Parts: sequence; structure tokens; C-alpha cells
Amino acid sequence: SQELEQSPQSLIVQEGKNLTINCTSSKTLYGLYWYKQKYGEGLIFLMMLQKGGEEKSHEKITAKLDEKKQQSSLHITASQPSHAGIYLCGAETLNSNDYKLSFGAGTTVTVRA
Amino acid sequence: NAGVTQTPKFQVLKTGQSMTLQCAQDMNHEYMSWYRQDPGMGLRLIHYSVGAGITDQGEVPNGYNVSRSTTEDFPLRLLSAAPSQTSVYFCASSYRQRYGYTFGSGTRLTVV
Repeated sequence: SQELEQSPQSLIVQEGKNLTINCTSSKTLYGLYWYKQKYGEGLIFLMMLQKGGEEKSHEKITAKLDEKKQQSSLHITASQPSHAGIYLCGAETLNSNDYKLSFGAGTTVTVRA
Repeated sequence: NAGVTQTPKFQVLKTGQSMTLQCAQDMNHEYMSWYRQDPGMGLRLIHYSVGAGITDQGEVPNGYNVSRSTTEDFPLRLLSAAPSQTSVYFCASSYRQRYGYTFGSGTRLTVV
């Protein structure tokens, strides 16, 4: 979706190094979701952010929401091979009377041993 | 608790054939939606439903029909399949919008 820009498109990181993925919306955000996908498989829910300044962490993954900038970032600390996959951000924006969940194009993460 | 179940997992169709992709959820979720995923384009919203009897179009609705006669089921119909509809299709559901979404495991469709 052009409404949601995700960067970078792909990245390669050495095992043990940190990485950050960014997601920027052209519309007002009412909710921001991060999902992970292994190639050829379904989406695994990681985190949901709804309030400006909100920050959530799970194991080595941290996500932050900057409501004013309409941006979110996903940060992985000390990456492991299990962190490899496609990371997708999804944003809820208002569409007439309903909320619409749109997705970025995804970021492919490769972790090298 | 099965969550969101999609069937079939794989399907090959010939151009012009019709078929229905099934999506069922057992979580009493009001909101259901269909997405297609193509390489480099993320997920694009096809159709969605905010409750039984209510459906609306998403970003890429052409060539697809939906109906929502029950809370549990939200089938996606391809009336006349085209090669451009080759994709991976995902169904998602939510208790209500802004409450988080559960995705099915996907249906990989090839139209030849």
C-alpha cells in the first residue's frame, strides 16, 4: 500500500547484531500492528500499538509508536537465526465509517551466522 | 479453538473457472477480511465485513465476490479466474476493529 511505507525493503545482519525496521503512514494512525512471516507461511502476530509514545517489548523485539510522526519502528536486539523472515507492518486508518487495516510491502530479514 | 481456518491450502485453476475460497472462524469475531499477497507488495485488502449481512470493498475488489450470511463464515468467490489472480490469499478476523487481528494460514492459488 502506498499509504504505508516500510523500510528497508530487505536487510542482512550478522548474528548478534541489532537491526531496526521503520514504518511510516501517510494517514492518521489508529492502530499499528507488527507481524512476522516465514516464507510460504502465515502471519505471526508480534505486537499491537495504539497510543502515541507507546512502546512494547517481547523477548528481544521492541516496537515503538510515534503518533505525531505517524511512524513506528521495530528493533531487534542481538539478532538470532530465528529472527529471519519477513516483517510486515499493518496500520489501521479511518475509511469512511470503518477502520481499514493496510500493510506495508514488508522487510525481508536475513541473519548470517 | 481452531482460530481462523482457510480451505483449501493449495489450488490450481484454469482461466475462466470459478471457485470459492473458504474462511471460517470460531472466535465469534464480528470483523472478517480477505487479503491477497503478491511478491514485493505486502498484503492488499480485497473485501471486508463488519458483521453478518454487511460487506464492503477494499483496495482490490475487482474479480472477487463475498457474502457474510453467518458470523463464522466469510467465503471469497472467484467467478471467472484470471492469471492475474494467481496469489496467496489470507483471511483475517477480529473481535472488533482495533482489537487485533488473527490470520489464517493462507490459500496458495495458481491460475493457468
